[in-house]
Amino acid sequence: NAGVMQNPRHLVRRRGQEARLRCSPMKGHSHVYWYRQLPEEGLKFMVYLQKENIIDESGMPKERFSAEFPKEGPSILRIQQVVRGDSAAYFCASSPGQGRDEQFFGPGTRLTVL
Amino acid sequence: QQQVKQSPQSLIVQKGGIPIINCAYENTAFDYFPWYQQFPGKGPALLIAIRPDVSEKKEGRFTISFNKSAKQFSLHIMDSQPGDSATYFCAASRQTGANNLFFGTGTRLTVIP
Repeated sequence: NAGVMQNPRHLVRRRGQEARLRCSPMKGHSHVYWYRQLPEEGLKFMVYLQKENIIDESGMPKERFSAEFPKEGPSILRIQQVVRGDSAAYFCASSPGQGRDEQFFGPGTRLTVL
Repeated sequence: QQQVKQSPQSLIVQKGGIPIINCAYENTAFDYFPWYQQFPGKGPALLIAIRPDVSEKKEGRFTISFNKSAKQFSLHIMDSQPGDSATYFCAASRQTGANNLFFGTGTRLTVIP
């Protein structure tokens, strides 16, 4: 049973470019969470999605960041016009929902903005 | 505001020792408390989790102690091994509604052979 998959694992962008991060949840999981981890810090919640719905985006910056989880395909976290401060590791987690809280994390995408 | 406070920031123990990592929270609505282990360059891996209806939970060499009145919980690692050297994060969430995790700042554990 494959775990949470994220790609790419490493992404380098120049300031002003767009970054697109993908997350495929574990089989049978319909809930996806995105977290950001700065060096030497804990993970900070960004957004929580279920299929075709954003449930909570309270941790996501209002500008330049967006997320989706379409009916078919992976969840996408999109960062437009990246700045150096966006450099971080971005982790996706999935959970089965239905009253089960366990969140299982993917390996992360390490974004570097030059 | 840091919803979950974790200490110490780093910890060094000898092989066989029992490192203890502590966390405290403020929000009494939290009712799910997991611990994650993270190796460099990897994603966090769920180790063990507890709910407030029990005061202790043990899985293998890992034990969580939970004190609801003090709003504190801790991770104990029995018979620690060099392979346990990693960063450990505590977290908390609410079961109802959006159950995103609030993480502590992490403890870097080093187990010396």
